[in-house]
Amino acid sequence: NAGVMQNPRHLVRRRGQEARLRCSPMKGHSHVYWYRQLPEEGLKFMVYLQKENIIDESGMPKERFSAEFPKEGPSILRIQQVVRGDSAAYFCASSQVSGLSSYNEQFFGPGTRLTVL
Amino acid sequence: AQSVTQLGSHVSVSEGALVLLRCNYSSSVPPYLFWYVQYPNQGLQLLLKYTSAATLVKGINGFEAEFKKSETSFHLTKPSAHMSDAAEYFCAESGWPRRGSSASKIIFGSGTRLSIRP
Repeated sequence: NAGVMQNPRHLVRRRGQEARLRCSPMKGHSHVYWYRQLPEEGLKFMVYLQKENIIDESGMPKERFSAEFPKEGPSILRIQQVVRGDSAAYFCASSQVSGLSSYNEQFFGPGTRLTVL
Repeated sequence: AQSVTQLGSHVSVSEGALVLLRCNYSSSVPPYLFWYVQYPNQGLQLLLKYTSAATLVKGINGFEAEFKKSETSFHLTKPSAHMSDAAEYFCAESGWPRRGSSASKIIFGSGTRLSIRP
């Protein structure tokens, strides 16, 4: 059973370009989470999605960032008009669906390291 | 707002010595608490988790952590450090699930870099 997959692993963009980061959850998982890790910092939550729905986007910047998790295919984190401050490692995690009283462990992917020149 | 505080951004111990990484959480009743390890240029690996069962939690690689409600702490320990333990360690707690959902985000501390001296 393959783990959470993210691609690309490394992405270089010039200021003003768009960045698209992809995340394929583990088989059977329908919850996806995106986190950002700035240099020398911990991970910060960005967004939590279920298939075709955004559940919690309280950590997403108001502009230029969007995320989707379509019925078919990977989850996509999209950053428009990138700036140098967007340079970071972006991690995706996935979990299963279970009952309200159950604990849903999040499994993390290897991350995409975005560098904005 | 929920937050997790890790005391000491960098801890250095000798090989064979006790490892103690400190963590304090903010929620009065945290749903779940975790310790993750991150090796350079890699993703996060779950070391252990507290899910309101036993207060002393044993994890992988000889690590364990104790949940102390009176101190709002969840410190990570290992009796004898190995060179392979050198990595970044993150303490975290889960947020409360949103209405209609069974899952939630994870709130991470800022991390503690563990170095092992030969």
